[in-house]
Amino acid sequence: DVKVTQSSRYLVKRTGEKVFLECVQDMDHENMFWYRQDPGLGLRLIYFSYDVKMKEKGDIPEGYSVSREKKERLSLILESASTNQTSMYLCASSYGGEAFFGQGTRLTVV
Amino acid sequence: AQSVTQLDSQVPVFEEAPVELRCNYSSSVSVYLFWYVQYPNQGLQLLLKYLSGSTLVKGINGFEAEFNKSQTSFHLRKPSVHISDTAEYFCAVSMEYGNKLVFGAGTILRVKS
Repeated sequence: DVKVTQSSRYLVKRTGEKVFLECVQDMDHENMFWYRQDPGLGLRLIYFSYDVKMKEKGDIPEGYSVSREKKERLSLILESASTNQTSMYLCASSYGGEAFFGQGTRLTVV
Repeated sequence: AQSVTQLDSQVPVFEEAPVELRCNYSSSVSVYLFWYVQYPNQGLQLLLKYLSGSTLVKGINGFEAEFNKSQTSFHLRKPSVHISDTAEYFCAVSMEYGNKLVFGAGTILRVKS
């Protein structure tokens, strides 16, 4: 079974903090993604990476960056957390037309 | 740019009744289409996908969907739902095989006894 693991299920951070969300996949997939999920808005793509050190902006990249130093890991970085970044964050990797998702990280910024 | 519209935000239905969750997409090129399900407090799981070939696609848990190119639709159906089908369902489209997915806003299916 493909496994996509997000390091935290729940996270509470303070405004202005630098926040790291980690995602690891165990199937050697080239493509990895970070989405943000908000009620009524579905999933919106923040960033995606199609290879080590390669990344592209998604639909809502402002306030975020990503790092992919190893093929299995994609980190999402909130440079200076703000309350409007309180959300559910979902990581995915994909192969052959199918995306595999992690369990999600619910981030609260206070 | 692609976009996906799920026409119903919530669909209540009684157990053992049929259900249809509607999805329309816009794209100027050929697309790949997906339905994902999210159970409470879980990540997303693939229900079914259309890549090419037969326009009627069968997925897990008795769900199926029909790709209609002329109407740019990919509606999800199940002939008889169970309480355990209560979840949020997302329609998604991809322009390239294995590339990024664009999601709809989601439809919450509530199955009542």
